[in-house]
Parts: sequence; C-alpha cells; structure tokens
Amino acid sequence: QVQLVESGGGLVKPGGSLRLSCSASGFTFSDYYMSWIRQAPGKGLEWISYISLSGTNIYYADSVKGRFTISRDNAKNSLYLQMNSLRADDTAVYYCARDPEWNYHFDYWGQGALVTVSS
Amino acid sequence: QSALTQPASVSGSPGQSITISCTGTSSDVGNYIFVSWYQQHPGKAPRLIIYQVHKRPSGVSNRFSGSKSGNTASLTVSGLQAEDEADYYCCSYAGSNTVMFGGGTKLTVL
Repeated sequence: QVQLVESGGGLVKPGGSLRLSCSASGFTFSDYYMSWIRQAPGKGLEWISYISLSGTNIYYADSVKGRFTISRDNAKNSLYLQMNSLRADDTAVYYCARDPEWNYHFDYWGQGALVTVSS
Repeated sequence: QSALTQPASVSGSPGQSITISCTGTSSDVGNYIFVSWYQQHPGKAPRLIIYQVHKRPSGVSNRFSGSKSGNTASLTVSGLQAEDEADYYCCSYAGSNTVMFGGGTKLTVL
C-alpha cells in the first residue's frame, strides 16, 4: 500500500536550519509529482512547494521562496525539504503529499512532521 | 496569495445535507477544473474526497459531491453521519504551478 513517512522534524532556533525527509513506498516514486504542505497549529493548510518527476521543475509559495529548497532522490524513493533562515511563523506540521499526473490535487499524504521554531 | 474563502463552520443533524462553499477569483477557482476537497479529522492527515471539481477517488462515499459555479466551488455532504464531523478544506490551482487552500470549515454533526 502507498506510504509516505516524514522524518527530521524538531525544535530549532530562529534563523536556524532543518532538513525534512519523506520516505515513499508502495508505488513507483519516480512516476509522481510531489509536494510539501504545512499546517500551523490550529490553522489551515498551506501549500509550499512542488517538484516534478525528475526534479527539473520546482515551484515555491512566496512565503518560503529563497529560504526553502525541495529536492528528491528517485533512487532512494525520497523527498526532501531543506529549510533555512527559519522563523517563528514557520512553526507547523509539514506534510509530504503525492500528486497524480500533476493534476494539482493530493491523493496520499504522510502523517506529518512537526517543526517548532522557538528560542 | 490570499487563501480561498470558506465559512468557518457549518452544522447539520444526522441524515441532513450540508453544503460548504469555497470562493476564489477568476484567477483560480473560476479559471480551472483543478478544484479539490479534503477531509481532516483531529490529529490526522488530510484525506482527498473530491478532485477536479466533482470526481470522487475510489473508496470515497457517494454522499460527498462537488460542483462549481463561476468563482465558487461547493462541497455537499448528504445523509450526514457522525463520522463526517471534521474539518474540510478546498484547494484550487492558482496558475504558475502554484496551489492555494481555503481557510477550512469545521463541520459539526449535531
């Protein structure tokens, strides 16, 4: 069955960095566009980044552009999010999600990784 | 980018139907078929229930239906059940390979 498992969350100081990973199984990872989506505590969902099948095409929300970097390793069935210059308002649960056929919807989600930015 | 507009809460009794609206602009909801809806129970990941305005993924109850008129998309839940109590989010393609979500609607089954 399809599984997405995020890891790498934790507590980091403002201005610090963190790298999230998402391990995929149960499907051919290289056949799917992938995204990161976050949810601040008690708040709604916010899409933050997309990556194409080979990683050639990458897109970001304005809120993270220039600070976050999405990448993938198809040989390892893994998706990554490098987060730099973290701010308090980046505190959220970060989900990786699969987009079938780049149709701008997300059919499978991971369980989420909590990132807390606080001094 | 502003979030799509959803009512903060809706409620209904078991067996009734409710509709949740999702209002965007001609640059997002009004211009594309890529509108989707997600159900999220507390402490859980979101679950896709509607995509491309009105399509249901395999395994999703036909009590969930979607539609769109102009810049507003709608999710209707018919035959309300206790298990439908959750947060619901709409989502739309917004051009330039970006996506935006609505602010979310809390559905309470009375």
